[in-house]
Amino acid sequence: DVKVTQSSRYLVKRTGEKVFLECVQDMDHENMFWYRQDPGLGLRLIYFSYDVKMKEKGDIPEGYSVSREKKERFSLILESASTNQTSMYLCASSSGSSPLHFGNGTRLTVT
Amino acid sequence: RKEVEQDPGPFNVPEGATVAFNCTYSNSASQSFFWYRQDCRKEPKLLMSVYSSGNEDGRFTAQLNRASQYISLLIRDSKLSDSATYLCVVGRLYNQGGKLIFGQGTELSVKP
Repeated sequence: DVKVTQSSRYLVKRTGEKVFLECVQDMDHENMFWYRQDPGLGLRLIYFSYDVKMKEKGDIPEGYSVSREKKERFSLILESASTNQTSMYLCASSSGSSPLHFGNGTRLTVT
Repeated sequence: RKEVEQDPGPFNVPEGATVAFNCTYSNSASQSFFWYRQDCRKEPKLLMSVYSSGNEDGRFTAQLNRASQYISLLIRDSKLSDSATYLCVVGRLYNQGGKLIFGQGTELSVKP
């Protein structure tokens, strides 16, 4: 069974802090994704990666960056956290065009 | 217009009822279709893929209508445990791989 693990379930950070959200998958998937989910807006794609050291902007990349140094790990970075980045962050992985497998999410609050 | 649209609901139905959700998509180049289920404060989980010929998994039936650009999910004999948000997901090739677009979800509440 595919396992996608996000390092934190709940996180509280202050405005201006640099925030790292980590995601690890154990199925050798080449594709990894970061989404955020907000009430009334659904899931929105922030960044994705099809290979190590490769990244592509999603629909809402502003204020975020990513790092994929190893195939199994995809990190989302908030360079300077702001209150409008308070959200549920979901990492996912897939192989080819197969369905996504999600981690259990990180609920980030920026105060 | 959103690329994938769903009626947000909520759909409130009694146990045992049959309920159907539709989802429309705007990009005719879309190539893959899925239904995900999301429980409150949990991550989305794949319910079923949707194939061109339609497919069934127990009480769940999914259909695709490419001409009208919609997919549907039918749930028969609803159970209390079916209460969740159902996300329609549409995929298309994007650069080297696939990009999945999520609908906002349809909330289902099954009552005793």
